[in-house]
Amino acid sequence: KAGVTQTPRYLIKTRGQQVTLSCSPISGHRSVSWYQQTPGQGLQFLFEYFSETQRNKGNFPGRFSGRQFSNSRSEMNVSTLELGDSALYLCASSFSSGTGETQYFGPGTRLLVL
Amino acid sequence: GENVEQHPSTLSVQEGDSAVIKCTYSDSASNYFPWYKQELGKRPQLIIDIRSNVGEKKDQRIAVTLNKTAKHFSLHITETQPEDSAVYFCAASIDFGNEKLTFGTGTRLTIIP
Repeated sequence: KAGVTQTPRYLIKTRGQQVTLSCSPISGHRSVSWYQQTPGQGLQFLFEYFSETQRNKGNFPGRFSGRQFSNSRSEMNVSTLELGDSALYLCASSFSSGTGETQYFGPGTRLLVL
Repeated sequence: GENVEQHPSTLSVQEGDSAVIKCTYSDSASNYFPWYKQELGKRPQLIIDIRSNVGEKKDQRIAVTLNKTAKHFSLHITETQPEDSAVYFCAASIDFGNEKLTFGTGTRLTIIP
């Protein structure tokens, strides 16, 4: 099976702009979670989508949003970018059958905000 | 919410020796504890996980132990090799329908040849 894929892999934006990142989960996986990774804050949970519904949400401002499509692909959007949004954004997918939820990570999108 | 603390932040070990990384968690409802390895510039990769109905799990040179009473779990790597050099993250979550992982701050493990 193909692994989790993310596009784009690298992105440079300026403050105030908005950005959309995409994640394609492993085939058959129904849950997609998003994480922000920075040297200072480590890996932080943004939100999780399951069957097109946001099931969990982390402590990030409303500028961070996401959605999931019927094929389980997910996008996250960050509006009004700030310098502090520069980070590696990782998505992870899992089958979420209720008997185990091993999450497999994508390669990430590295976002630089200037 | 859940809080996961991880120690040490850096660890240097002679090749062939053992390495131990420890994590503590705060939420007694957590019952799933994965460990991820992240090499420079790469994605986190699951190396082992444990659920709260198990006290210890082993996979070749890697083992994880869990003490639910004390709310701590540990990663043990034996016979370390240069390719074990990476950043290791512990995490905790509530099982069944909750995919939110709370991560520790990471341990940079360096294997000295």
